[in-house]
Amino acid sequence: EAQVTQNPRYLITVTGKKLTVTCSQNMNHEYMSWYRQDPGLGLRQIYYSMNVEVTDKGDVPEGYKVSRKEKRNFPLILESPSPNQTSLYFCASSSPGGREQYFGPGTRLTVT
Amino acid sequence: SQELEQSPQSLIVQEGKNLTINCTSSKTLYGLYWYKQKYGEGLIFLMMLQKGGEEKSHEKITAKLDEKKQQSSLHITASQPSHAGIYLCGAGGSARQLTFGSGTQLTVLP
Repeated sequence: EAQVTQNPRYLITVTGKKLTVTCSQNMNHEYMSWYRQDPGLGLRQIYYSMNVEVTDKGDVPEGYKVSRKEKRNFPLILESPSPNQTSLYFCASSSPGGREQYFGPGTRLTVT
Repeated sequence: SQELEQSPQSLIVQEGKNLTINCTSSKTLYGLYWYKQKYGEGLIFLMMLQKGGEEKSHEKITAKLDEKKQQSSLHITASQPSHAGIYLCGAGGSARQLTFGSGTQLTVLP
């Protein structure tokens, strides 16, 4: 089954404790992306990757890092999480000519 | 940068009623995507519109693109509880780099 998986689905952590949210897709898609969703603000893109070793900033990259060492994986790294990064995070992937992005189920992060 | 405004922000309808959700862009629309999200879950692709005047349907959901007005509308006929969720419009040159609206929360009362 074609899918995008994210782990963990839920995470509660404390300020400053480094964390990684993993994202994996099994569709051999070149393009992957991270979004955060906040009430009243909709989905905002954090980072995206056009292919392995190619990443670029989206609209709200501050406080986040990403890496793309393998085509299927695109982890999101929060080196020093802060409460304003409490949000619902989505990973997505698509092919170059794809008309849709496939979204993961989301990771709900709470930073206290 | 492009901004998308959705209206209404929330909508409560009785089962069987028709409803419309609008998405207005601050810039010319080159591609408009509609997604549905169940609360706390991922996004499900509904349809994509590219040309002015284009209209597409998916089951009881119809979307239209009015390029001149820089607007798209999503219409649900004879709503059902299964239609409940958050509807999001996204716009951009491709599915890879989308700007999203803030969403419309739809509740359908049985």
